[in-house]
Amino acid sequence: GENVEQHPSTLSVQEGDSAVIKCTYSDSASNYFPWYKQELGKGPQLIIDIRSNVGEKKDQRIAVTLNKTAKHFSLHITETQPEDSAVYFCAARGGGGADGLTFGKGTHLIIQP
Amino acid sequence: DGGITQSPKYLFRKEGQNVTLSCEQNLNHDAMYWYRQDPGQGLRLIYYSQIVNDFQKGDIAEGYSVSREKKESFPLTVTSAQKNPTAFYLCASSVGESGKLFFGSGTQLSVL
Repeated sequence: GENVEQHPSTLSVQEGDSAVIKCTYSDSASNYFPWYKQELGKGPQLIIDIRSNVGEKKDQRIAVTLNKTAKHFSLHITETQPEDSAVYFCAARGGGGADGLTFGKGTHLIIQP
Repeated sequence: DGGITQSPKYLFRKEGQNVTLSCEQNLNHDAMYWYRQDPGQGLRLIYYSQIVNDFQKGDIAEGYSVSREKKESFPLTVTSAQKNPTAFYLCASSVGESGKLFFGSGTQLSVL
């Protein structure tokens, strides 16, 4: 089955700086790569996603890049703000279909004022 | 408002007891999922259902059971066979082949 590795587990950045979180996946047939943001005591919320036929996608301060050859994808957050502090999860959906996502272990992003 | 409702928010289980976590959605999604989240860990798939009256085991199904009698509802029972049930349980749904999951707010299960 699919295996997703996520790094780093904790990331602390100064407010206004950029943050980058990286993930690798094992199944070359995986075709969908979402990123979720989870605040304490709440369920994860989808913030951006990318499909395997696209190399990069942006939404305001958030961007995701995908390198299919290397089997890795990254989340980029620019001009970080205090409300960006949360746990971020990457995930991948294998080529087998709509049978759920495989998640990374999460990155705790801390924005220092 | 459309969404996924999980209840209760907090649940306590006694030794040898079965407990059931509720998950209801009004998004008209066909597929529903249960994930378990442990501190510092990612989300692990317990069970999923792509259609009414059908469900499949995920990666960690042992000690859990589900039913899908209605499209809107996908309850999860944590049985006494699950020896380490303390965790945060998340229900999700998705539509079609999009793969996009929409999550509920979760249930924290603890053992007394």
